[in-house]
Amino acid sequence: DTGVSQDPRHKITKRGQNVTFRCDPISEHNRLYWYRQTLGQGPEFLTYFQNEAQLEKSRLLSDRFSAERPKGSFSTLEIQRTEQGDSAMYLCATPGVGSTDTQYFGPGTRLTVL
Amino acid sequence: RKEVEQDPGPFNVPEGATVAFNCTYSNSASQSFFWYRQDCRKEPKLLMSVYSSGNEDGRFTAQLNRASQYISLLIRDSKLSDSATYLCVVNSPGGGSYIPTFGRGTSLIVHP
Repeated sequence: DTGVSQDPRHKITKRGQNVTFRCDPISEHNRLYWYRQTLGQGPEFLTYFQNEAQLEKSRLLSDRFSAERPKGSFSTLEIQRTEQGDSAMYLCATPGVGSTDTQYFGPGTRLTVL
Repeated sequence: RKEVEQDPGPFNVPEGATVAFNCTYSNSASQSFFWYRQDCRKEPKLLMSVYSSGNEDGRFTAQLNRASQYISLLIRDSKLSDSATYLCVVNSPGGGSYIPTFGRGTSLIVHP
């Protein structure tokens, strides 16, 4: 158990709908990362937070994507006007105890856009 | 050129075999390096860090060659349970901090 939970685990939506995913670390870590993974590829970095502050955003994160971490604990990732190309696994990760370099992942949210 | 490159495989080996994977990275300013394991439809899990001096954990040995910008993973005495995708991760400078960049993974299939 990595101590990271994600909700929902699966989401099926129609193109054009908005979706929101949530990530909850069990214990509070300063850093929290979001990734996207498609079939046959490794996870691709989307964004990360240091406490409440969103410090880095990938070019993959178009203006339809927004992430928040309002109290420095849980985080949400919203995708507006979903497209079929958004279908992927969305992974949340926090660093290991005593390390800022390693990544401990939650189980992910699998998004399917029809 | 991708920042982190891996041969996707699959590597198909018999039980007991020794198998090695390489991973190359393009950013010479990269700072830390890791191997992760990912089982089908599961999240990646940290397998081991990679140090310049090389490091070993049981049947697994990881090495870093900064001059040639590659890291390697050696698995000895392969078990059926080693079947998985092995992801190479490089922490590279991006903006104001270091960002983990994953390779696409190398698929390993160990058969009886």
